[in-house]
Amino acid sequence: LAKTTQPISMDSYEGQEVNITCSHNNIATNDYITWYQQFPSQGPRFIIQGYKTKVTNEVASLFIPADRKSSTLSLPRVSLSDTAVYYCLVGDGLRNRDDKIIFGKGTRLHILP
Amino acid sequence: NAGVTQTPKFRVLKTGQSMTLLCAQDMNHEYMYWYRQDPGMGLRLIHYSVGEGTTAKGEVPDGYNVSRLKKQNFLLGLESAAPSQTSVYFCASSYLSGAYNEQFFGPGTRLTVL
Repeated sequence: LAKTTQPISMDSYEGQEVNITCSHNNIATNDYITWYQQFPSQGPRFIIQGYKTKVTNEVASLFIPADRKSSTLSLPRVSLSDTAVYYCLVGDGLRNRDDKIIFGKGTRLHILP
Repeated sequence: NAGVTQTPKFRVLKTGQSMTLLCAQDMNHEYMYWYRQDPGMGLRLIHYSVGEGTTAKGEVPDGYNVSRLKKQNFLLGLESAAPSQTSVYFCASSYLSGAYNEQFFGPGTRLTVL
């Protein structure tokens, strides 16, 4: 199981673009990269997932370089409501495998006015 | 669609008491999970289930038991609560297994053991 490393915390201001990088040096060929967002007093929720290059949805973008040893979650023009903990997970793409799920401590993002 | 629901939302126990946390999902998911989250920590997997009638240990299973008698329900039991089990407990479910597959989380149960 690939281990992930991400910053413990980050601060940013409203309106800025925020990039959170996750390192996963031991990522395996079949692994996908998934990000979850957790607001205070709520359960985490899935926000984006990718395998290589770039993925974009209405919430965020995910950039994955060719070697796939890291990935960057990009949040455009953040607002106060983006204050949350963001978790990077790396896991097997073979859907039937009993892959252990490790959330880690995540990155605590604090948006300032 | 209620998604994943958890009962109760809050509970205070005394050391040595027992209780059961109930998780229910209406998405017909095969896989269900129980996590605990301590202040400043990430989520740690306690137990999980790959289908009705089957359960397996996660990262921190000691002191907990689980049962999955019906596909839609996953119960987490504390037989003799200890202060170290003070935590927020989250239940989740997914259609398939593994970190690749999206997990849907409940709102959490805040448990305090005195």
